[in-house]
Amino acid sequence: DTAVSQTPKYLVTQMGNDKSIKCEQNLGHDTMYWYKQDSKKFLKIMFSYNNKELIINETVPNRFSPKSPDKAHLNLHINSLELGDSAVYFCASSQVWGNEKLFFGSGTQLSVL
Amino acid sequence: RKEVEQDPGPFNVPEGATVAFNCTYSNSASQSFFWYRQDCRKEPKLLMSVYSSGNEDGRFTAQLNRASQYISLLIRDSKLSDSATYLCVVNRASNTGKLIFGQGTTLQVKP
Repeated sequence: DTAVSQTPKYLVTQMGNDKSIKCEQNLGHDTMYWYKQDSKKFLKIMFSYNNKELIINETVPNRFSPKSPDKAHLNLHINSLELGDSAVYFCASSQVWGNEKLFFGSGTQLSVL
Repeated sequence: RKEVEQDPGPFNVPEGATVAFNCTYSNSASQSFFWYRQDCRKEPKLLMSVYSSGNEDGRFTAQLNRASQYISLLIRDSKLSDSATYLCVVNRASNTGKLIFGQGTTLQVKP
């Protein structure tokens, strides 16, 4: 069983479209994250939820909206996609808030054309 | 200046070599430090934490120098399977949940 699974693995779409990425963890962890890895390989945190509550919201355009229906799921919806949104998006979880051992999903490669 | 800086490499070494990477961080209030490993087109995975006293896990040794604000990773007797990108990670403060990742140093171990 995959511990942190995200879908889809690849997403190719046109500018202006709206898309969602789903993430689920079966580790029983309290905290989930979205990270973005750009073309220069920097991983930057976007959002963090702890027990379904939004804790971290970095300076991300409000076209990006996370949703956590329960603590095992954290989805990312992106409106009006732009070329600059092309990147790999990683979902991650940690056992409790502040625990620095992150378990990452396998990533979603988003290409905006 | 980036908060966490690493030489992106690549470092090309023969099997059996010893290789060391350094990473510098700019925030002197940073509390905790880690090395993550990321294989090509895969997700990052925690390799080891870095303690002030230094720590070792098999062929891997991590060290922290708070005065000079750098951490290091030493890999002895390199294996082909060590080829990956090694990410230096810093937590600015405990319980903030905000890990700052370096760009990573790419290691290629050749036969």
